[in-house]
Amino acid sequence: ETGVTQTPRHLVMGMTNKKSLKCEQHLGHNAMYWYKQSAKKPLELMFVYNFKEQTENNSVPSRFSPECPNSSHLFLHLHTLQPEDSALYLCASSLYRGNNSPLHFGNGTRLTVT
Amino acid sequence: SQQGEEDPQALSIQEGENATMNCSYKTSINNLQWYRQNSGRGLVHLILIRSNEREKHSGRLRVTLDTSKKSSSLLITASRAADTASYFCAPNTFTGANSKLTFGKGITLSVRP
Repeated sequence: ETGVTQTPRHLVMGMTNKKSLKCEQHLGHNAMYWYKQSAKKPLELMFVYNFKEQTENNSVPSRFSPECPNSSHLFLHLHTLQPEDSALYLCASSLYRGNNSPLHFGNGTRLTVT
Repeated sequence: SQQGEEDPQALSIQEGENATMNCSYKTSINNLQWYRQNSGRGLVHLILIRSNEREKHSGRLRVTLDTSKKSSSLLITASRAADTASYFCAPNTFTGANSKLTFGKGITLSVRP
C-alpha cells in the first residue's frame, strides 16, 4: 500500500471516448502531480497542483484536463485521445511543492487508446 | 536538459554481488533523489542526498554525490533477487519560486538468483 491510490488500474478507450482517471491520497500532502510514463522515455511531468491550485502545466495538449477539488483528490479527464497517448499515467503527492519533499507515487493507470 | 542521465541503461548481476548505478546531470541542484520502480508499479522513493552532502547510507544502499563532476552513484550491496527493478535518479533544481524534480529513463537492474 503506497498511500496513493489510483483507479482504474487499466483502461482501454477509443479515440472518441471520454474517461477520467482518479487519484486519492490520505497522507496529508498538499501537492499532487500527474506524470506520463512511456516506454524508453524519461518520466514526463504533466501537471502540478499545490494547495488545490494548478502551478504547472508542461505544455500538455488540451485533450488532457486535470481537476483538483481538494488536496486529497486529483483527476485527469481524457477526451478525443490519440494512440500515442497510450502510456502509464502516474499520480504522485508530496508534503509540499518544495525542495526536500520526496514524491509518493500511486501504482498508475495503464491506458491504451485504440 | 536538467534530467538525470543514468548509466548503464541495463545491468545484470548475480545475487550477492554489488550493483553500482551512475547518474549525471547538467545544472546546479538543491538535492538529488533516487527512486525504484518494480514492474507494473509506481516509483518508490529510496534516498535523498542534499547538495552539501557527499555520501549517505540507508540499509544496503549507499549514495554518493560529487557536485563538481555533477554526478551521483547508487550502490546496492549484497544484492537480492528482490532488488530486480528499474532505478531512477532525479536531480532537484530550483527554478524561480519552484523546485523541479526531473527523472531520467532509468536503469533496469536484474539480479539473478
